[in-house]
Parts: sequence; C-alpha cells; structure tokens
Amino acid sequence: ILNVEQSPQSLHVQEGDSTNFTCSFPSSNFYALHWYRWETAKSPEALFVMTLNGDEKKKGRISATLNTKEGYSYLYIKGSQPEDSATYLCALNTGFQKLVFGTGTRLLVSP
Amino acid sequence: DAGVTQSPTHLIKTRGQQVTLRCSPKSGHDTVSWYQQALGQGPQFIFQYYEEEERQRGNFPDRFSGHQFPNYSSELNVNALLLGDSALYLCASSRGTGTIYFGEGSWLTVV
Repeated sequence: ILNVEQSPQSLHVQEGDSTNFTCSFPSSNFYALHWYRWETAKSPEALFVMTLNGDEKKKGRISATLNTKEGYSYLYIKGSQPEDSATYLCALNTGFQKLVFGTGTRLLVSP
Repeated sequence: DAGVTQSPTHLIKTRGQQVTLRCSPKSGHDTVSWYQQALGQGPQFIFQYYEEEERQRGNFPDRFSGHQFPNYSSELNVNALLLGDSALYLCASSRGTGTIYFGEGSWLTVV
C-alpha cells in the first residue's frame, strides 16, 4: 500500500509570511505527483502535475519541486495572502489517473 | 463550460438504506473516478469508470457499486448503509493523461 504523508497537518501564518509544506512518499513507483488546493465548500483545484525528478513548477506566488530519489515534494507559497487559506493536498498518480492522496496540510493566513 | 457537477450536495440516510449519487463529468472527459473522504483523512479511491466499464477499484466492499452511461455521466450506489459510510463523496473526471478535475462533492450522513 502506497502511503503518502503530508506535513505539517496544519499551519497558521501571518499575511506576508512565506511558507512551505512537504509531501513524502516511500517509492518512485508512480507516474506523476499532483498538488491540489481545496477551499472549503469548493472543489479541489489542480495546481501542479509533476512527473520528473527535479521538476520545478511555478504559478504566481506558488511553486513546487519534486525529488523522486529521496521521496518528497515541497510546495512553497511566497508572501502568503488570506485568500491562500485552504487545504493543500498532494496525490500520487499510480496509473490511469488513479490518485492516492495524503491527508493534506490546512493553511490559515491571518490578515 | 461547466466543470464536474455532482448531485445531491447533501443527503441524510438511515442505516440499512441504499443511496445513489450522481456525477456529470467536465465536457469532453470520458473517465470518471469516485473518491470517499472521511473525517480527518485524504480522499480514498473507490473506483473508476471508462467506456462504461469499471476499470480500477480501490479497497471498498461490494456494497459500493457504480455505473457509467453512454454520455459518460456516472452513478455511485451504496447498499446497506453503515454509519461509517458517512463521508464526502467526490467525483473526478479526466480524458487521457490530462488534468483531473473534481466536483464539489456530495455530503452523505448516515444516521
């Protein structure tokens, strides 16, 4: 069973702080790693899909890296804003678009 | 272009009853997957439908069944409901290796 772990479970930062979370996994036996942003009462929103060791993706103030050799991915948010408050999920695509999710990191950004 | 739509958004059922949840995929998508998110956990893969057949299945009992229609919409059926089936049920759609989109989910409470 592929176990995807995310840390921390929750995070509370002030507006303007930069922050990062970790997604760790035991092996590189997957096709892609996905990051999703999930606001309460909305649908999870795809942020990044990463496939290669060393991949770096960026979308505005949010960026992500992937290290398949050491089994982790980092998500960075630069200059956090209150609208960044959400749960950030990482998931491994194990084939045919089947996702194995971590439990998520809940981010709260206070003004 | 409507994204993934799910219905109903909320429902309450009694133990032992049966429930049907519905999902319309994003336009152009032919693959539908269902996930269960219980409290404190990440979404867990239930099964996936492609070309009207179940292509992959997660570790869920046979009480969980589904169907995909020729227009690619899908249903998730759960028989003999247990209290532990109370959860958010998410539908995801995709085409090929493209972005996986999620609906807002159906909240099921079993009393």
